[in-house]
Amino acid sequence: NAGVTQTPKFQVLKTGQSMTLQCAQDMNHNSMYWYRQDPGMGLRLIYYSASEGTTDKGEVPNGYNVSRLNKREFSLRLESAAPSQTSVYFCASTQTGTAQPQHFGDGTRLSIL
Amino acid sequence: DQQVKQNSPSLSVQEGRISILNCDYTNSMFDYFLWYKKYPAEGPTFLISISSIKDKNEDGRFTVFLNKSAKHLSLHIVPSQPGDSAVYFCAAIRFSNTGKLIFGQGTTLQVKP
Repeated sequence: NAGVTQTPKFQVLKTGQSMTLQCAQDMNHNSMYWYRQDPGMGLRLIYYSASEGTTDKGEVPNGYNVSRLNKREFSLRLESAAPSQTSVYFCASTQTGTAQPQHFGDGTRLSIL
Repeated sequence: DQQVKQNSPSLSVQEGRISILNCDYTNSMFDYFLWYKKYPAEGPTFLISISSIKDKNEDGRFTVFLNKSAKHLSLHIVPSQPGDSAVYFCAAIRFSNTGKLIFGQGTTLQVKP
């Protein structure tokens, strides 16, 4: 059972570079989410997709874009990376409308110099 | 505006004793509350949840208590084991809000042998 798979696991970028973080789930969930985790701040929602073809902003969307490529895949793009985007990024999925909890990937640790 | 708060960044307990992790919230419209556990270099994993219409839910060594009048929930771990050492996140959800989770800042639990 793969669950939620994120790639890459680690990445170092220079300020101004662009990058796409990939996420795929094999649980046939309709909803997918991108979070960032920073020390002392818990997990904050960046973007989410309630269903294939739809995306919406979360709490901290500035500097990011997302694509819900199909039901399985939800990517997060940094067009011009900034040091403030150094963080650990988590993707999650769930079946909305049920009490089923969100399932998380193991994260992408991103450092921007 | 932090809707879910975990005011204790860390907690240390002796193996075999009870661990009590606390969480406060401000939004009375939340439908469900969840606890997630996170080990280093892994994604959060679901631990236990409670509906807003209940005041207690138990699963083995883990019990969650909800006090709606005080807008407070707690996670009890009895007995605590060294393998319970992790970061614990409290989260809340409104089903009408597209399943978005609101997380607390997390509490790091250390269980000493």
